Amino acid sequence: AQKITQTQPGMFVQEKEAVTLDCTYDTSDPSYGLFWYKQPSSGEMIFLIYQGSYDQQNATEGRYSLNFQKARKSANLVISASQLGDSAMYFCAMEDSSYKLIFGSGTRLLVRP
Amino acid sequence: KAGVTQTPRYLIKTRGQQVTLSCSPISGHRSVSWYQQTPGQGLQFLFEYFSETQRNKGNFPGRFSGRQFSNSRSEMNVSTLELGDSALYLCASSLRAISTDTQYFGPGTRLTVL
Repeated sequence: AQKITQTQPGMFVQEKEAVTLDCTYDTSDPSYGLFWYKQPSSGEMIFLIYQGSYDQQNATEGRYSLNFQKARKSANLVISASQLGDSAMYFCAMEDSSYKLIFGSGTRLLVRP
Repeated sequence: KAGVTQTPRYLIKTRGQQVTLSCSPISGHRSVSWYQQTPGQGLQFLFEYFSETQRNKGNFPGRFSGRQFSNSRSEMNVSTLELGDSALYLCASSLRAISTDTQYFGPGTRLTVL
C-alpha cells in the first residue's frame, strides 16, 4: 500500500540557515511522483517542488532542493537560507498511477529571527 | 494565469443540512481533485474528475459526491451533514499530460458544522 512518513512533527531553524525536512515513502508502483507542499496558516497548499521516479538528477527550485534517494525510498526537502516567511506546515506527498495524492502528516517549521 | 478558485471560502451549516462547494480549475486543466483536511485525519483524498468522469474515489461514505462540468469546473456535495464533516476542503487542478502531473491547490473552503 502507498504510504508517506514524515517523522518530524515540528522543527526550528535559525534565519539564514539551511534545514532538511525528512520524508520516506512506500509504493509498489515503478512510476510515481513525489511532491512537497507548503501550507501557511491561511490554509492554501502551495506547490514547492516535484521529483519523478525516473528522474536521474535531484530536483531544485530556487532555495528548495529535493534529496532523492530511490533505494532508501526517501525524498527529503532541503531549504537553504531560511527566511521568516518559510514558517509553515510542510507536506510530503506521493502520486502514482492512481490519480490521487497521498500525504504525510506534515512537519511544522518555525524560523527563528 | 489565474489560479484555482474555490467558493465559498467559509461556510457554517447545521447537522442534517447539505452543502455544495465549487471549484474552478486553472485554465486548460482538465483534472480536478478534492481533498478533506482535518486535524485528526490529516489530508485525505475524496475523488478525482477528468473530462467529466470520476476516475478515482477515496474511502468516504456516499454522502460525499461530486461532479465536473464540460468547462472543467467541479462541484462537491455533502448531504446530511455530520459534526465530523467540519474540515478544510481543498480542490486541486492538474493538466494531466502525464499521470503524475503536479496538482495545484485552491485556497480551500472551511466548513463548520454545528
